[in-house]
Amino acid sequence: GENVEQHPSTLSVQEGDSAVIKCTYSDSASNYFPWYKQELGKGPQLIIDIRSNVGEKKDQRIAVTLNKTAKHFSLHITETQPEDSAVYFCAARATGFQKLVFGTGTRLLVSP
Amino acid sequence: SQTIHQWPATLVQPVGSPLSLECTVEGTSNPNLYWYRQAAGRGLQLLFYSVGIGQISSEVPQNLSASRPQDRQFILSSKKLLLSDSGFYLCAWSVLLSEAFFGQGTRLTVV
Repeated sequence: GENVEQHPSTLSVQEGDSAVIKCTYSDSASNYFPWYKQELGKGPQLIIDIRSNVGEKKDQRIAVTLNKTAKHFSLHITETQPEDSAVYFCAARATGFQKLVFGTGTRLLVSP
Repeated sequence: SQTIHQWPATLVQPVGSPLSLECTVEGTSNPNLYWYRQAAGRGLQLLFYSVGIGQISSEVPQNLSASRPQDRQFILSSKKLLLSDSGFYLCAWSVLLSEAFFGQGTRLTVV
């Protein structure tokens, strides 16, 4: 089955810096890769996703890149703000499968 | 628009007591439904998922069970809670080829 690894487990940056979180997946059949943000005591919220037919997707300060050959994808946050502080999860799913497999999460702390 | 309701938000239960957490979805039909558990500082562990009424797939052997008595209702249960059942339980739904939408979670503390 699919296995998703996520690094780093914690990331501290200064406000205005960029943050990068990386994930690798094992199942070459995976074709959908969402990223979730989870604030303390709340359920995860989707922030951006990418499908395997594109290599990059951007939404304002957030971008995701996908390298299908290497089986890894990354979340990039530019101009970080304190409100970006949260736990971020990557996930992967293959066509025909009903479940998302999540990474172990990255705790991002943005200091003013 | 679609919404997901999960309750209660917090729960403290003694060891050996039963458990029933309920999740309902509005605004969509025949969703896939999921129960995840998140231990403190850990990732999301898929416990059960369901693709239809009465259809439950279990991902890990454990002290918990799930049921789907109606199309948009998903229940997580236990007959006798263990200390290790403590955690943050999340219900989620999706439709084919879409992302999963999560509820606000239930924090369960078994004492």
